[in-house]
Amino acid sequence: GAGVSQSPRYKVAKRGQDVALRCDPISGHVSLFWYQQALGQGPEFLTYFQNEAQLDKSGLPSDRFFAERPEGSVSTLKIQRTQQEDSAVYLCASSLDGYSGNEKLFFGSGTQLSVL
Amino acid sequence: AQTVTQSQPEMSVQEAETVTLSCTYDTSESDYYLFWYKQPPSRQMILVIRQEAYKQQNATENRFSVNFQKAAKSFSLKISDSQLGDAAMYFCAYRSSYNNDMRFGAGTRLTVKP
Repeated sequence: GAGVSQSPRYKVAKRGQDVALRCDPISGHVSLFWYQQALGQGPEFLTYFQNEAQLDKSGLPSDRFFAERPEGSVSTLKIQRTQQEDSAVYLCASSLDGYSGNEKLFFGSGTQLSVL
Repeated sequence: AQTVTQSQPEMSVQEAETVTLSCTYDTSESDYYLFWYKQPPSRQMILVIRQEAYKQQNATENRFSVNFQKAAKSFSLKISDSQLGDAAMYFCAYRSSYNNDMRFGAGTRLTVKP
C-alpha cells in the first residue's frame, strides 16, 4: 500500500475485554515496530519484528500483551484482559531494511484505545 | 538507560519567523542517531530530520536545521520561515546503534500565529 495502515482507528473496550489491533505495513518492508503513546507523552517502544521473527519484545509491559507477524507482513498486537492503564494510542511503524539504526521509519496513524 | 528531555512543553512563533526547539539526551554510548519527528493531529509521525552522532556537520533539510552539540548532549531544531503547516507536536528521539529501542522525548507543541 501507499503507507502504513492501522485499524481500527478508535477502539473502546470494557475493562477485562480482549482487543486486537492490526497493522498493515508498506509492502516489502522488512522491519516492523509497535509503540505505545500515552496521552501527552512521547511514544514508547513495545516490540520489533524483522520479517516474521520477533527479535525484541523487551518493551511489552506485561504478559497480557502479545504481538505476532506470522507471514512477515501484517502484524497484530493483542491485549488480553484490558486495564484502564492500557488506554493509549498504539502506533505501528515499518522500514524497508533490517535494523541499522538510521533507516527511515514510516508510521501509521495509530489506534486510539480507550478502556472503560 | 538513555533518556531524552524536551524542556519546552509549548512554543509559539509568528508566521515567517524562526523558532528553536530544545532537546537534550543522556547516554553513555558513542554511536547513535538522533531524530526530530513531527506529529500533526492525524497522529502520524513524520520524520523531519536526522543526525548521525559520528558526523560533526549539522543536518539540514530545507527550512529545518539542527544544532548538534555532542559533548553537551544537545540536539536542537531550528525552523526558519515558519509556516502555518508547521504547527504540530514535535518529538526529539534517540536511537542506539546497539538495539531497537528508539527513545522519544515528551514533545513540544508548536503553535504558528498568522
